[in-house]
Amino acid sequence: EVQLVESGGGLVQPGRSMKLSCAASGFTFSDYYMAWVRQAPKKGLEWVASISYEGSSTYYGDSVKGRFTISRDNAKSTLYLQMNSLRSEDTATYYCARLRSIYYYSSYGYFDYWGQGVMVTVSS
Amino acid sequence: DTVLTQSPALAVSPGERVSISCRASEGVNSYMHWYQQKPGQQPKLLIYKASNLASGVPARFSGSGSGTDFTLTIDPVEADDTATYFCQQSWNDPPTFGGGTKLELK
Repeated sequence: EVQLVESGGGLVQPGRSMKLSCAASGFTFSDYYMAWVRQAPKKGLEWVASISYEGSSTYYGDSVKGRFTISRDNAKSTLYLQMNSLRSEDTATYYCARLRSIYYYSSYGYFDYWGQGVMVTVSS
Repeated sequence: DTVLTQSPALAVSPGERVSISCRASEGVNSYMHWYQQKPGQQPKLLIYKASNLASGVPARFSGSGSGTDFTLTIDPVEADDTATYFCQQSWNDPPTFGGGTKLELK
């Protein structure tokens, strides 16, 4: 059974940093692109970042580019999101998701499994 | 970015057929996907590449469309289908989601 379990959320002040983790199990982690998708309270879904199989290629949404860093440790089957210079508009539930690429070595695809999400609140 | 437009809400009675639409601001070929999100839960994949049923999803759900206009159909609707439904495109960069359609049962 595929499982994605996020951790590391909470309350953080504007301008500070936070790191999210996502522990994966039930599949060969290194065989899949992975992604983070967020959802502000009572709002829709927003893609945040994606990462290739071995982590050599990363992709970011414009709203987080230069502030967030996605990474992975295939030996630990864990995905990370380092969030710096946090803003109030980053307040959201952050979901880890497995990305099914539309063709090999592509960041384009759909999200076939999602974690339960972790809440990040940016406030003073 | 490709903007995906969905109707905000629909209300139907159990047993009826409902169609949820998603219109893209530019063509996305057949690379439109649908998700169901129940209150307090994570999204769940229902349909991928416009018309392919995801694993474990009941056959009451189906998808159609190509280019800019897509439809998710539920037939018949059951009480458990109360949820918000999101479309997502993966043809153009960056991947984008629709605003969601909240389905309520009468």
